[in-house]
Amino acid sequence: AQSVTQPDARVTVSEGASLQLRCKYSSSVTPYLFWYVQYPRQGLQLLLKYYSGDPVVQGVNGFEAEFSKSNSSFHLRKASVHWSDSAVYFCAVSMPSSGQKLVFGQGTILKVYL
Amino acid sequence: ETAVFQTPNYHVTQVGNEVSFNCKQTLGHDTMYWYKQDSKKLLKIMFSYNNKQLIVNETVPRRFSPQSSDKAHLNLRIKSVEPEDSAVYLCASSPAGGFNERLFFGHGTKLSVL
Repeated sequence: AQSVTQPDARVTVSEGASLQLRCKYSSSVTPYLFWYVQYPRQGLQLLLKYYSGDPVVQGVNGFEAEFSKSNSSFHLRKASVHWSDSAVYFCAVSMPSSGQKLVFGQGTILKVYL
Repeated sequence: ETAVFQTPNYHVTQVGNEVSFNCKQTLGHDTMYWYKQDSKKLLKIMFSYNNKQLIVNETVPRRFSPQSSDKAHLNLRIKSVEPEDSAVYLCASSPAGGFNERLFFGHGTKLSVL
């Protein structure tokens, strides 16, 4: 069964700094990979997704993620964060064999201070 | 723009009571889901319905039951709430339930059991 780990429960950065949120997955084959964001008192919104092709995938609001098969990772990056990026970020995986089951990581709380 | 609508936003109740949460999507999707998000932000899938048929039931307690009148609606009933049911319940939908599809989430219903 696939699983996903986000090793950083909380990340704090200053506005304008670069950002990396880590995600590691465990699966015998490459799963479909997603990053979602949850703003306060809202549902989750998709930032980006990846399955194959260029290992660097672009998302919304300046976010990108890089897939590494050798490291079983799918880290999220942003060159310059804004205070409005403060939210909870979730990495998630799914596979054809799991049907409609999307498995989420524990989430990383991002705080951007001015 | 929200297209998955959940009511109520909040609900406070006592142990043993019955509660019911509503979810409606206006995207024309075939598949709807219920996720539970606990106080640590952990997300677990509870149910998945594809065009009124139950696809996934992640061994949730029997006091939980999904109810669907058509593919645009998926309600959640809890027959006799327990303290551990306190959580945010997130409804979501996807076009056909494929493993590579993005999910569209509602804002959630926060349940507090006293």
